[in-house]
Amino acid sequence: AQKITQTQPGMFVQEKEAVTLDCTYDTSDQSYGLFWYKQPSSGEMIFLIYQGSYDEQNATEGRYSLNFQKARKSANLVISASQLGDSAMYFCAMSPTSGTYKYIFGTGTRLKVLA
Amino acid sequence: EAQVTQNPRYLITVTGKKLTVTCSQNMNHEYMSWYRQDPGLGLRQIYYSMNVEVTDKGDVPEGYKVSRKEKRNFPLILESPSPNQTSLYFCASSLSGDQETQYFGPGTRLLVL
Repeated sequence: AQKITQTQPGMFVQEKEAVTLDCTYDTSDQSYGLFWYKQPSSGEMIFLIYQGSYDEQNATEGRYSLNFQKARKSANLVISASQLGDSAMYFCAMSPTSGTYKYIFGTGTRLKVLA
Repeated sequence: EAQVTQNPRYLITVTGKKLTVTCSQNMNHEYMSWYRQDPGLGLRQIYYSMNVEVTDKGDVPEGYKVSRKEKRNFPLILESPSPNQTSLYFCASSLSGDQETQYFGPGTRLLVL
């Protein structure tokens, strides 16, 4: 069955330090996409970064990078130089799944950046 | 401005009283989807639509209905709401649904008494 696992319910990081949020996935598909979204306390969902399964290079978007290890089925989000505004819930997601156009999300990691 | 809108943003209702949450996008997207978010469970997909008149079940479709009569609109219908449908609901859209970024609406917080 398709599944996304985020094993860290909550994390703390000191301001200006880097932090890695873990995401592992399970799929038998050869072609799929992996996404990270941020949900601040205000509630909206903000897209951060995307990695295609056939992309050979890890995706980067500003301070965000995705550490994609296909053989290990992991897609960890790395945030460099953490800022107070990075405090939020972070969700890993995958699509499509097994010939459908379903999206699957993980349970999320709540990140708190400390001053 | 490109956006996904949802109405209402907050709703308190009682068990069994039919309700509709509207969703509209102005980006000419073909793919639209509904999710519910519950603590500890993340987001779970309820229904999605590939295009007008084409819908399919997500992982938690029980108790919900959808329709896609126009490309821009994708309402979520709860015909007989129950307390276990108390949740935060998100509508989202993307161009075609195939490994693309989804754009999310602001969310609708529903409380069923």
